[in-house]
Amino acid sequence: EVQLVESGGVVVQPGGSLRLSCAASGFTFDDYAMHWVRQAPGKGLEWVSLISWDGGSTYYADSVKGRFTISRDNSKNSLYLQMNSLRAEDTALYYCAKDISGGGVNSGTFDYWGQGTLVTVSS
Amino acid sequence: AIQLTQSPSSLSASVGDRVTITCRASQGISSALAWYQQKPGKAPKLLIYDASSLESGVPSRFSGSGSGTDFTLTISSLQPEDFATYYCQQFNNYPLTFGGGTKVEIK
Repeated sequence: EVQLVESGGVVVQPGGSLRLSCAASGFTFDDYAMHWVRQAPGKGLEWVSLISWDGGSTYYADSVKGRFTISRDNSKNSLYLQMNSLRAEDTALYYCAKDISGGGVNSGTFDYWGQGTLVTVSS
Repeated sequence: AIQLTQSPSSLSASVGDRVTITCRASQGISSALAWYQQKPGKAPKLLIYDASSLESGVPSRFSGSGSGTDFTLTISSLQPEDFATYYCQQFNNYPLTFGGGTKVEIK
């Protein structure tokens, strides 16, 4: 069974930093691209970032480019999101999501999601 | 970035109704579109990928169609468990983008 478990969400002050983690199990982690998707309270979904199966390619939403860094450790079946210079508008539930395509393909479709970790940026 | 416009933003329907949700892209995206269902307090669930391919385990009452800029999600006979918010999402270009969502409520 595929499982994605996010952690690291807390209340942080504007301008602060935070690192989110996602522990993956139930599939061959290093065969799939992975994503972060967020959802502000009461709002819609916003894609944040993608990392390829080997970490060699990364993509970001314009709203987080230059502030957030996605990474992965395939030896630990783990995905990360380093968040710097946090703003109030970064307040959201952050989901880790698995790409549907394996074999080194970044399809951009999410077939499994975690339950999310809540990041609140407030003074 | 490619913008996705969903309509309607909300609708009220009865069990057994046929429901259609549309998603329009600001530029052509071929068939690079997915549909997700989200229930309150839950993570989204993939329903349709590549515009018309049904994800494994998803009931056949859900179907998707379209290509280019205009897409449709159809629920052929609405069931009680289908009351939720539905999102379209394009994966033709980065940044990946979602539509604003359509909330399906009980009439």
